Amino acid sequence: AQSVTQLDSHVSVSEGTPVLLRCNYSSSYSPSLFWYVQHPNKGLQLLLKYTSAATLVKGINGFEAEFKKSETSFHLTKPSAHMSDAAEYFCAVSGLGGGNKLTFGTGTQLKVEL
Amino acid sequence: DAMVIQNPRYQVTQFGKPVTLSCSQTLNHNVMYWYQQKSSQAPKLLFHYYDKDFNNEADTPDNFQSRRPNTSFCFLDIRSPGLGDAAMYLCATSRDLPSSSYNEQFFGPGTRLTVL
Repeated sequence: AQSVTQLDSHVSVSEGTPVLLRCNYSSSYSPSLFWYVQHPNKGLQLLLKYTSAATLVKGINGFEAEFKKSETSFHLTKPSAHMSDAAEYFCAVSGLGGGNKLTFGTGTQLKVEL
Repeated sequence: DAMVIQNPRYQVTQFGKPVTLSCSQTLNHNVMYWYQQKSSQAPKLLFHYYDKDFNNEADTPDNFQSRRPNTSFCFLDIRSPGLGDAAMYLCATSRDLPSSSYNEQFFGPGTRLTVL
């Protein structure tokens, strides 16, 4: 079985400060890990994907995530938040042990303040 | 640009009146998915097609059906919508199944369903 835990349901940062969105996963096999972003009333957009190549994955819009097997974590970071980053962020896992489905976390709402 | 398109973006129906949501893709992907997303929740997989093979999630109500007449199109039919079916419905595609290497899912913009 596989699962994802997003440790914070809401994160608030000031514009220009770093962003950290936390994700821990559980998977019996080598997983694929994803971060998606969803703006209000929009579909999900893929930010980045980990597939056992490099542990530090760079995505779109300046986001990156580091896969840490020892900590079973895949936290999303960005050095400097922008107002347009305000959205819901979902961490997700898929792999051989997951019944051929993408399992999402419960999401983290990111608020960016001036 | 290759993309996933959903129509309509907003759909209003009456309690018990059948409704069909549409999804099309220009990515030529083998797999198409339908998700239900309620407010402030993660998307919940309803079913998926791998080519013509239909795979229903165990907890998807019988009220929800799907059709995939060709590679490009996939439909979600809700036979008798209830108030609890009001949600955002997301269509997604991927080149191959989640257990494979080509498993990135590309989402459409969603259809927001309101049931009166």
